[in-house]
Amino acid sequence: EVQLVQSGAEVKKPGESLKISCKGSGYSFTSYWIAWVRQMPGKGLEWMGIIYPGDSDTRYGPSFQGQVTISADKSISTAYLQWSSLKASDTAMYYCARSEGVAEMDVWGKGTTVTVSS
Amino acid sequence: EIVLTQSPGTLSLSPGERATLSCRASQSVSISYLAWYQQKPGQAPRLLIYGASGRATGIPDRFSGGGSGTDFTLTISRLEPEDSAVYYCQQYGSSPPTFGQGTRLEIK
Repeated sequence: EVQLVQSGAEVKKPGESLKISCKGSGYSFTSYWIAWVRQMPGKGLEWMGIIYPGDSDTRYGPSFQGQVTISADKSISTAYLQWSSLKASDTAMYYCARSEGVAEMDVWGKGTTVTVSS
Repeated sequence: EIVLTQSPGTLSLSPGERATLSCRASQSVSISYLAWYQQKPGQAPRLLIYGASGRATGIPDRFSGGGSGTDFTLTISRLEPEDSAVYYCQQYGSSPPTFGQGTRLEIK
């Protein structure tokens, strides 16, 4: 079964750093892209960026460029989304999803809730 | 970036009826690179339609997509109670990919 398993919920303070993960299984992790999608509380979906674990080619949406870092470790079939200094406005659900490039996303993780509060 | 506007905001229909959801783009979506997703409360989105009209694996044929250029539709025939959800369109023909704001479908 193709799956993306995301790391657990996080509660952080403003200014702290954070790295969340997304582990793929049941398919060739290096043959598909992994996208990250943000959903703020009660709001819609926003495409953050995408990475190709095969060669770590990474693209960011304009609103997220410089705000987050997307990376991957193909040896353990895991993609990451990280922040160096969290803000309260980063409070959201973050989903990873499989894609064949900048394309539709056919398999989704269950999401990681990130809460940033002092 | 391409702005997608979905209508209506909320749709309330009875089981067995047909739902027609609209997604209008601010500029033409190249090669009909348009997808539809279903999101139920507390769940991740699920891909329904890709390439404007292709059904994703495991999606019943009650769900169909159509349209081209700037106007796209998702049609759900013979509504069932479990179709209650928020539906999002997404374009991926132009970078960055963008989503519509969603249509909430309520089954009475």
